Amino acid sequence: GENVEQHPSTLSVQEGDSAVIKCTYSDSASNYFPWYKQELGKGPQLIIDIRSNVGEKKDQRIAVTLNKTAKHFSLHITETQPEDSAVYFCAATGFQKLVFGTGTRLLVSP
Amino acid sequence: SAVISQKPSRDICQRGTSLTIQCQVDSQVTMMFWYRQQPGQSLTLIATANQGSEATYESGFVIDKFPISRPNLTFSTLTVSNMSPEDSSIYLCSVEEEGTYEQYFGPGTRLTVT
Repeated sequence: GENVEQHPSTLSVQEGDSAVIKCTYSDSASNYFPWYKQELGKGPQLIIDIRSNVGEKKDQRIAVTLNKTAKHFSLHITETQPEDSAVYFCAATGFQKLVFGTGTRLLVSP
Repeated sequence: SAVISQKPSRDICQRGTSLTIQCQVDSQVTMMFWYRQQPGQSLTLIATANQGSEATYESGFVIDKFPISRPNLTFSTLTVSNMSPEDSSIYLCSVEEEGTYEQYFGPGTRLTVT
């Protein structure tokens, strides 16, 4: 089955810096790659996703890139703000089931 | 996206008892999912619950321990049976927007077993 690895486990940046979180997956049949943000005490929130027929997708300060050949995808956050502090999870799916990465705790210091 | 609510939001239970968690969606959805998130960990799929059929459980999860009901297209319940402290986790339901793979999560139920 699918296996998703995520790095780094923690990431500390200064406000205004960029942050990059990387994930690799094992199943070449996977074709949907979402990213979730989970704030303390809340459920995961879908913030951006990408499908296998697209290499990059942007939404304001966040972007996701996908390299299907290498089986990895990344989340890029530019101009980070303190409210970006949260745990971020990547996931991959091949057939209606999401397999999650281990999570990255992002801390943005003012 | 769908609005999902869960009840209770949190509970403290004694070992050996059972707790039923409710998940309500504001629109009809085919695919609903139940996840467990142990403290400080990632999300693990417990089962997929489709209306009109038996829930499909993932490896390591069994119906006797986690019975699931799906009586209609907007509601599901997960019961955690014969609880032990190892069952202390956040339990999350999610729904898939029809035909998109996009999953949206409820706020979670924080369960502590003493």
